[in-house]
Amino acid sequence: SYELTQPPSVSVSPGQTARITCSGDALPKQYAYWYQQKPGQAPVLVIYKDSERPSGIPERFSGSSSGTTVTLTISGVQAEDEADYYCQSADSSGTYEVFGGGTKLTVL
Amino acid sequence: EVQLVESGGGLVQPGGSLRLSCAASGFTFSSYWMSWVRQAPGKGLEWVANIKQDGSEKYYVDSVKGRFTISRDNAKNSLYLQMNSLRAEDTAVYYCARRITIGAFDIWGQGTMVTVSS
Repeated sequence: SYELTQPPSVSVSPGQTARITCSGDALPKQYAYWYQQKPGQAPVLVIYKDSERPSGIPERFSGSSSGTTVTLTISGVQAEDEADYYCQSADSSGTYEVFGGGTKLTVL
Repeated sequence: EVQLVESGGGLVQPGGSLRLSCAASGFTFSSYWMSWVRQAPGKGLEWVANIKQDGSEKYYVDSVKGRFTISRDNAKNSLYLQMNSLRAEDTAVYYCARRITIGAFDIWGQGTMVTVSS
């Protein structure tokens, strides 16, 4: 079955830039999406179509894509950004959805 | 306000059945694919199933095929997940989510907890 691979954890100091990667063989063909999930809450979509930001999401959140890897970048990280982040995409057929294992972002 | 509200979770014995419901409001329910996503305690998100606007196409993760059935009633603005032959590994918070055309889940419910245990 298709898998997306994320690092388990990323740590940054406030004001620094956090980068979270997500790798998958079908990413050159399928869009990627990113979600933020805080404890006890439902996920929130923060990036769609690799690099688009939904309304209401701060400009410090951005996304990029290169080959089989997509990256979520959070510039000027704030304490409130501490959360789990998940990438999501589809297999090469576009039929089945898949989530990455999630990355815990810690703001030191 | 766009909203999804799940219900129907609870404690069930292994091999048992449960039916989850999701009530949608604030948007034209019949215009969207809908999905179920689950999250086991302390674990990551796992996509479970998708259903097309008119119910004519349904897709499932391999681990639930033949046991779970996704359905919808557009007249009632409701999404369902019938879960049969439940296993301990199905224990999770189950989220209902709206799937937009490009494939992202843009609206999520608050989730309903399903516990499979004897």
